[in-house]
Amino acid sequence: QVQLVESGGGAVQPGGSLRLSCVASGFIFSQYSMHWVRQVPGKGLESVGVVSDGGTNTYYADSVRGRFTISRDNSKNTLYLQMNSLRVEDAAVYYCVRDREGPNGLDYWGQGTLVTVSS
Amino acid sequence: DVVMTQSPHSLPVTLGQPASISCRSSQSLVYRDGNTYLIWFHQRPGQSPRRLIYKVSNWDSGVPDRFSGSGSGTDFTLKISRVEAEDVGIYYCMQGTHWPPTFGQGTKLEIK
Repeated sequence: QVQLVESGGGAVQPGGSLRLSCVASGFIFSQYSMHWVRQVPGKGLESVGVVSDGGTNTYYADSVRGRFTISRDNSKNTLYLQMNSLRVEDAAVYYCVRDREGPNGLDYWGQGTLVTVSS
Repeated sequence: DVVMTQSPHSLPVTLGQPASISCRSSQSLVYRDGNTYLIWFHQRPGQSPRRLIYKVSNWDSGVPDRFSGSGSGTDFTLKISRVEAEDVGIYYCMQGTHWPPTFGQGTKLEIK
């Protein structure tokens, strides 16, 4: 069965950096685009960005472009989100999500990893 | 960005009764390939979202057929024919036609 397991969340000060990882299993990872989506606890959902199946193409939300970088290592079935220059408003649960029946056909979601940003 | 507007925000429903959620987009969701990339998710408390419906009206695997999606262009609807206790939670619509994908604000379904 499809599994997506995020890790790397934690507490960081404004201006700091964090790298999230998402390990995929149960499907051929290299055949799917992958997204990061975030959710402030108790609030709505916001797309962060997407990386193509081969890793060559990425797209970002305006709110994170230039600060966040999405990458992947298909040999390790792993998706990454490098977050730099973190702001208080970046605090959220970050989910990795598979893309099927797209464009942006988000289907399976990981359990999420919590990022807190405060001084 | 495309704005997705859901109604109602809160939906109290009696077990066994039908429920309906509306989702409207600020732009047409018809993609250049002719398909409409409108998705419905269900999120139970403390859980990740689960996709129920994709491309307006297609069921994901394991989704009960009491759920149905319909609509076109900018107006879409999720219907539950007979609400069951496990249906509580928040329902989100999402458009994937335009970048970035955007979500409605959610509709909280609760049992009366």
